[in-house]
Amino acid sequence: QKEVEQDPGPLSVPEGAIVSLNCTYSNSAFQYFMWYRQYSRKGPELLMYTYSSGNKEDGRFTAQVDKSSKYISLFIRDSQPSDSATYLCAMRRGGATNKLIFGTGTLLAVQP
Amino acid sequence: SQTIHQWPATLVQPVGSPLSLECTVEGTSNPNLYWYRQAAGRGLQLLFYSVGIGQISSEVPQNLSASRPQDRQFILSSKKLLLSDSGFYLCAWSLLGGKNTEAFFGQGTRLTVV
Repeated sequence: QKEVEQDPGPLSVPEGAIVSLNCTYSNSAFQYFMWYRQYSRKGPELLMYTYSSGNKEDGRFTAQVDKSSKYISLFIRDSQPSDSATYLCAMRRGGATNKLIFGTGTLLAVQP
Repeated sequence: SQTIHQWPATLVQPVGSPLSLECTVEGTSNPNLYWYRQAAGRGLQLLFYSVGIGQISSEVPQNLSASRPQDRQFILSSKKLLLSDSGFYLCAWSLLGGKNTEAFFGQGTRLTVV
């Protein structure tokens, strides 16, 4: 079993839709949770960062962490064609090495 | 502000040839440095990470090696490339410890071994 599971998609939605992206994980020691956005042939860029459980909102993006269920989500409201990208979840335990464990990424296409 | 430089952007190399990819970070001191490889549909695989000069940890056995000759310089190398070394290589940095330790990535090198 992989430490982090993520549906690879592709996920296709119409412009303006609410998008829900999810990851599950098996290691209860994970404390830090991140979402990265990666455009084709580019490096991933950090989108959202959450410590422990709870919600965090930034503009059209909301990140949720449910540690009891080992489940994290990213919601995108009013999706735009420019949101079309691969979204990767990542997480790590506490400690100095900060090794991030990534999901495989979900390819999102927002149709105009 | 911090920036990370990674080059070259694309590289085509014959099987058996050597490899050297370089990554440098500006605007921070003593970062954690990472090399990842991304294959289609397989997410990011951590290859090496370093917490300081000369300190390299390898995550998976492979045909590659890494070195950190300076605080903000990280090099990925191979003596003889294999076809299976093709992929998208990403360098990343983060700060040591604490809560604000998310990783920041370079723009990647697409390596094709032919």
